[in-house]
Amino acid sequence: AQSVTQLDSQVPVFEEAPVELRCNYSSSVSVYLFWYVQYPNQGLQLLLKYLSGSTLVESINGFEAEFNKSQTSFHLRKPSVHISDTAEYFCAVSANFGNEKLTFGTGTRLTIIP
Amino acid sequence: DGGITQSPKYLFRKEGQNVTLSCEQNLNHDAMYWYRQDPGQGLRLIYYSQIVNDFQKGDIAEGYSVSREKKESFPLTVTSAQKNPTAFYLCASSSSGWNTEAFFGQGTRLTVV
Repeated sequence: AQSVTQLDSQVPVFEEAPVELRCNYSSSVSVYLFWYVQYPNQGLQLLLKYLSGSTLVESINGFEAEFNKSQTSFHLRKPSVHISDTAEYFCAVSANFGNEKLTFGTGTRLTIIP
Repeated sequence: DGGITQSPKYLFRKEGQNVTLSCEQNLNHDAMYWYRQDPGQGLRLIYYSQIVNDFQKGDIAEGYSVSREKKESFPLTVTSAQKNPTAFYLCASSSSGWNTEAFFGQGTRLTVV
C-alpha cells in the first residue's frame, strides 16, 4: 500500500517571499509523483509531475519540485509567490507499474499575505 | 473546447432521497473517476472505470453506485444508504491508467438536508 503525507495543512506566506510545501510518500515500489492545485470552488489542475528522468521538475508558473528517493519526498517550492498563488495544493502518488491507484495527500492551503 | 463537465454545480436534496450527479467528458479518455472531498481529508476515491461497461469500487464505495454505458459519461448516484452524503464531489478522467494526467471537472457540491 502507498500513502502520502502533507504535514502542513495551512501555510501563510507574504507576497514575494519564497515558499516550500512539503510532501512525503511511502511506497514499497517505484512511484510516479504529482502536484495538483485547486483554486476556490473549482476542480484540481495538474501543476507538475515526476515520472522518470531528471529529479527536478518545473511548472510554467514558476513552481518546481524535486524528487528525493532517499528521503521519499517531493517538496514543492517557489522562490517568490504572488497573490494569485493562493490555493490548495495536493501531492499525489501512484505506483509506476501494475494497477495501483492514485493516492492523494490531505492538501496544503497556501495563503498569500499582501 | 475539450474537458470535463459536471452538473449541477450545487445540489440540494432531502435526506433519504437518491440523487444522481452527472459527469461528461469529450477528451476521448478511457478512464474516469469519482472522488469525494471533505475538509482536511483530501480526495477519497469512490469508484473508477478504466473502460466502457466496466468499473471498480474505490476506497469509500458504500452508499454509491455508478454506470459506464458510454465512454464519455460516468454518472454517480448517491443513494439513501450513504450515511453522510454532504460533500464536494469531483469527477476526473485520464487517457489511460493511474500514471497519466487526470483532468478534473469543476465539482458538484451536494448538500443533504
